[in-house]
Amino acid sequence: AQKVTQAQTEISVVEKEDVTLDCVYETRDTTYYLFWYKQPPSGELVFLIRRNSFDEQNEISGRYSWNFQKSTSSFNFTITASQVVDSAVYFCALSYDTGGFKTIFGAGTRLFVKA
Amino acid sequence: DTAVSQTPKYLVTQMGNDKSIKCEQNLGHDTMYWYKQDSKKFLKIMFSYNNKELIINETVPNRFSPKSPDKAHLNLHINSLELGDSAVYFCASSRSRGDSGNTIYFGEGSWLTVV
Repeated sequence: AQKVTQAQTEISVVEKEDVTLDCVYETRDTTYYLFWYKQPPSGELVFLIRRNSFDEQNEISGRYSWNFQKSTSSFNFTITASQVVDSAVYFCALSYDTGGFKTIFGAGTRLFVKA
Repeated sequence: DTAVSQTPKYLVTQMGNDKSIKCEQNLGHDTMYWYKQDSKKFLKIMFSYNNKELIINETVPNRFSPKSPDKAHLNLHINSLELGDSAVYFCASSRSRGDSGNTIYFGEGSWLTVV
């Protein structure tokens, strides 16, 4: 099966706390891509990062970091020193070739950052 | 300039009506999509077109008919609207279908409410 699971429906933190959003995926493909998107309260979907299945290097971009581990089929997203502006729904997505180049999304994790 | 633009942003209409949502992308991408986001924020692909050719058609009622006059435009027409069609519809685009890793870029969404 091809699937993305974001087990955390909602997370609430206080500003400046670190928070990790979990993403677990399932795929039969050996070549695939993983993504994270942010959907702020205004509603648009903003691309954050893309990772291919052959690149397990972790990535850091400012306060954001991503940990990709094929051994556990996980692609977790950490926000360091969270800010109120980080409040949003975050989606993990999986793109694969079998069946026609599809991209499927997890159910999303709603992050509340309180001042 | 907005990369993927869709209109209208908000649409309130009565059951049984027919409505269209228009989408245009100026990114030079070959592939365009329609995604539906329900009230629980779940994102599901509806259609995908590559160079005006339909390549993905998920299990969508045939009241929904996409039309791609050229590769920069993908419109969505919905006949006989039902209450359950109320959702946010996202248009999106990516580079050629030849690589499943192409990042999908989304429009701002069209909020459809059927009353």
